[in-house]
Amino acid sequence: GQQVMQIPQYQHVQEGEDFTTYCNSSTTLSNIQWYKQRPGGHPVFLIQLVKSGEVKKQKRLTFQFGEAKKNSSLHITATQTTDVGTYFCAGEDTGGFKTIFGAGTRLFVKA
Amino acid sequence: SAVISQKPSRDICQRGTSLTIQCQVDSQVTMMFWYRQQPGQSLTLIATANQGSEATYESGFVIDKFPISRPNLTFSTLTVSNMSPEDSSIYLCSVGGSRYEQYFGPGTRLTVT
Repeated sequence: GQQVMQIPQYQHVQEGEDFTTYCNSSTTLSNIQWYKQRPGGHPVFLIQLVKSGEVKKQKRLTFQFGEAKKNSSLHITATQTTDVGTYFCAGEDTGGFKTIFGAGTRLFVKA
Repeated sequence: SAVISQKPSRDICQRGTSLTIQCQVDSQVTMMFWYRQQPGQSLTLIATANQGSEATYESGFVIDKFPISRPNLTFSTLTVSNMSPEDSSIYLCSVGGSRYEQYFGPGTRLTVT
C-alpha cells in the first residue's frame, strides 16, 4: 500500500538556524499537504501543493513538490521559537481519495 | 476554514466500557473523518463518516469496535467500544476543505484504565 515517509524524526536547532523536513512517497501523489501541530494542540493546515515542481512560500516557510510528484520538502528560514512543533506532510495518491500522513518531524528551537 | 468542536475534550474510562465522542462543525461539510493519534505519533485514519450511509473503515478498524454515526452534514459521533488500555489515544475528527486540505477538531484525549 501507499507509504509516506518523512525525515528527520527530530531536529534540534538554535534560533536563527534553518530547518528542512523531507517527505517521500512510494507512489505518485495527486497532491500533498503540510500541517503543523504545536505541543498539546491539533494539526493545523498550512498549505497544499498540487502541481509538479510547485514551489510556494509563506513568509519564512518554503514548500516544494517534486517534479515526479513523489516527494516534497518544507524549509524554514531563520527559525524562531514560535516554529516549535511537529510538521506533518500528508499525501493523497492518484488512485483514490485516501490521505496518508507522514510520521512527522518534531522541531525543537533553542533560544 | 470550518470551526470544529469536539466533546469531551478528555476522559478517563474503565476498561470494558464505551465512550462516544461528538464532533460538531459550524457549517455543512461533505467529508468528515475520524483519526487516532497516539502520543508522539502520526495520525492514523480510522474511517470516513458518510452522511446517510455507513462509514468507510480503514484496514485494522471495524464497525463493531468503532461505530460511527453521521446524521447530518454538521455532526458526527465516534464510539470507542469495549475499551482496553490499548485504546488510550487522542481521537480527532476532521473535515475536508475546498480542495484537499483538512481542518481538525481540538481532539479528545482518552485514557483507559
